[in-house]
Amino acid sequence: DAKTTQPPSMDCAEGRAANLPCNHSTISGNEYVYWYRQIHSQGPQYIIHGLKNNETNEMASLIITEDRKSSTLILPHATLRDTAVYYCIVRGTSGTYKYIFGTGTRLKVLA
Amino acid sequence: NAGVTQTPKFQVLKTGQSMTLQCAQDMNHEYMSWYRQDPGMGLRLIHYSVGAGITDQGEVPNGYNVSRSTTEDFPLRLLSAAPSQTSVYFCASSSVTGDSPLHFGNGTRLTVT
Repeated sequence: DAKTTQPPSMDCAEGRAANLPCNHSTISGNEYVYWYRQIHSQGPQYIIHGLKNNETNEMASLIITEDRKSSTLILPHATLRDTAVYYCIVRGTSGTYKYIFGTGTRLKVLA
Repeated sequence: NAGVTQTPKFQVLKTGQSMTLQCAQDMNHEYMSWYRQDPGMGLRLIHYSVGAGITDQGEVPNGYNVSRSTTEDFPLRLLSAAPSQTSVYFCASSSVTGDSPLHFGNGTRLTVT
């Protein structure tokens, strides 16, 4: 199972873009990159995922490098409600399917 | 649409007691899993299942048992509770088809005294 590495914490000014990096240098060809966030002690919330192409939805954008060894989650206009722990996970579509979470990035959006 | 339902929300146990945390999903997901989250830490995988009758160990399985007799339910049993098992427990499920994301329950906060 590919592992991920994320910075432990980041700050972002309200209204600015938050760019959260993730390293997954051991990712294999059939593994997707998923992003989740956890606000306080609630259950993690799914944000976005991708395989090799950049993806965008109503919450965020996901940029995956061409070699797929790293990715960046972009929250285009961060608000105070985006303060949370963000997790980057890789998971394949065959085999054991298990999701292994790392320690994530604690994002603090500052007023 | 209930999604993933965990019961109870809170539980206090004495050391040595046993109990079962319940998890049910109504999305017909094949994959179900249990995580624990200690204060200030990330989620660690305890056990998971890819279908009825199939279970496997995750990162921290010791002290916990699971079974999967139906697609909908995936209970987690603590055989003899220890203070080190004080944690928040999350159940999650997903389809194994394609790239379906994981859906989480709201958690069970367990304290062992």
